[in-house]
Amino acid sequence: AQKVTQAQTEISVVEKEDVTLDCVYETRDTTYYLFWYKQPPSGELVFLIRRNSFDEQNEISGRYSWNFQKSTSSFNFTITASQVVDSAVYFCALTRTPLYGGATNKLIFGTGTLLAVQP
Amino acid sequence: SQTIHQWPATLVQPVGSPLSLECTVEGTSNPNLYWYRQAAGRGLQLLFYSVGIGQISSEVPQNLSASRPQDRQFILSSKKLLLSDSGFYLCAWSPRTEAFFGQGTRLTVV
Repeated sequence: AQKVTQAQTEISVVEKEDVTLDCVYETRDTTYYLFWYKQPPSGELVFLIRRNSFDEQNEISGRYSWNFQKSTSSFNFTITASQVVDSAVYFCALTRTPLYGGATNKLIFGTGTLLAVQP
Repeated sequence: SQTIHQWPATLVQPVGSPLSLECTVEGTSNPNLYWYRQAAGRGLQLLFYSVGIGQISSEVPQNLSASRPQDRQFILSSKKLLLSDSGFYLCAWSPRTEAFFGQGTRLTVV
């Protein structure tokens, strides 16, 4: 069975602090994808990043960085120098590698981490 | 570029009334389409998915149904709403791996 665990329910930081959101996943698949989504107060889920299970290189995009470690089944997300606009719920998600022929790729979401950045 | 539209944004319906939420995707063809529900407490639950016109798969037994009458249109329906149907409903489309979400419909059943 597939499962995503985000143990941190809520995190509160002061602006300019660095913050790491944890994500631990379980899967028996040998190939899979991992994702992070941001859900601001407006409700829409915004896609942030996709990571293939074959690619363990860390990725940096501006103030965002992601650390993928297969050995610990973790895909953690770090925001450097946090800003008030980063306040949102962040979801980690997992899916099987999609098959050819139109088979669907269903996302398994964690329960999300509410990040509150105080000015 | 591809866009996804979902409406209405908010809806208040009495118990026992019907429901119809619509989702359309532009700028792509034959997308995989999904309906998710986010109940209080934040978790996202996949309700239905579709890989083509008329092809609907249900993930959980419930009071809701879905239809895909056209390639880029996905509809979530109910004949009689229950209080437990309240929640935030999100439509999504997927080209292959990641999913892109609509802005959601907040449904309150009273």
